[in-house]
Amino acid sequence: KNQVEQSPQSLIILEGKNCTLQCNYTVSPFSNLRWYKQDTGRGPVSLTIMTFSENTKSNGRYTATLDADTKQSSLHITASQLSDSASYICVVVSPTGANNLFFGTGTRLTVIP
Amino acid sequence: NAGVTQTPKFRILKIGQSMTLQCTQDMNHNYMYWYRQDPGMGLKLIYYSVGAGITDKGEVPNGYNVSRSTTEDFPLRLELAAPSQTSVYFCASSYADTEAFFGQGTRLTVV
Repeated sequence: KNQVEQSPQSLIILEGKNCTLQCNYTVSPFSNLRWYKQDTGRGPVSLTIMTFSENTKSNGRYTATLDADTKQSSLHITASQLSDSASYICVVVSPTGANNLFFGTGTRLTVIP
Repeated sequence: NAGVTQTPKFRILKIGQSMTLQCTQDMNHNYMYWYRQDPGMGLKLIYYSVGAGITDKGEVPNGYNVSRSTTEDFPLRLELAAPSQTSVYFCASSYADTEAFFGQGTRLTVV
């Protein structure tokens, strides 16, 4: 069964600290993995897209890693800001048609001053 | 580019009422999707479309209908609203398997 599991479910960190969010998946076949940021009351917005051959990809203070062998990904946030408070959703895409996006339940990150 | 636009943002329905959630995109994307997001759950696919005139069921299609008469528009119809359809609904679009862009969501409450 194609599944995407994220941990932790929620996380509270102090402003300026770093954190790492985890994503494990069983989706097969694999096309790419995406991290989305979803602010409260808003739609998800793409942060990174990683293909099979990419191990690391950065977008500002966000760095995603992918280990396609162990089917694990992480999202590392450096020097957190209050505006980083959001849910972070891992999405694994399978190349089997339009019905091919598998969503994790997200990690709710709260950055406090 | 406005991206993906959903209306309304909020709606309260009585059990048995009907409504249409509107979704339009101006990026000329061929793929469009409707998802629902329940509290603490991942997004679940209701219906999707790979182009005008083509629609198909997703994971949770019961109680919903869609149409895709144009590339831009992908309305979602609820015929007989039930409390189980209380959720946040997101429309998204993409060009084939590339990055999906999401609308702002419609928060629906059925009472």
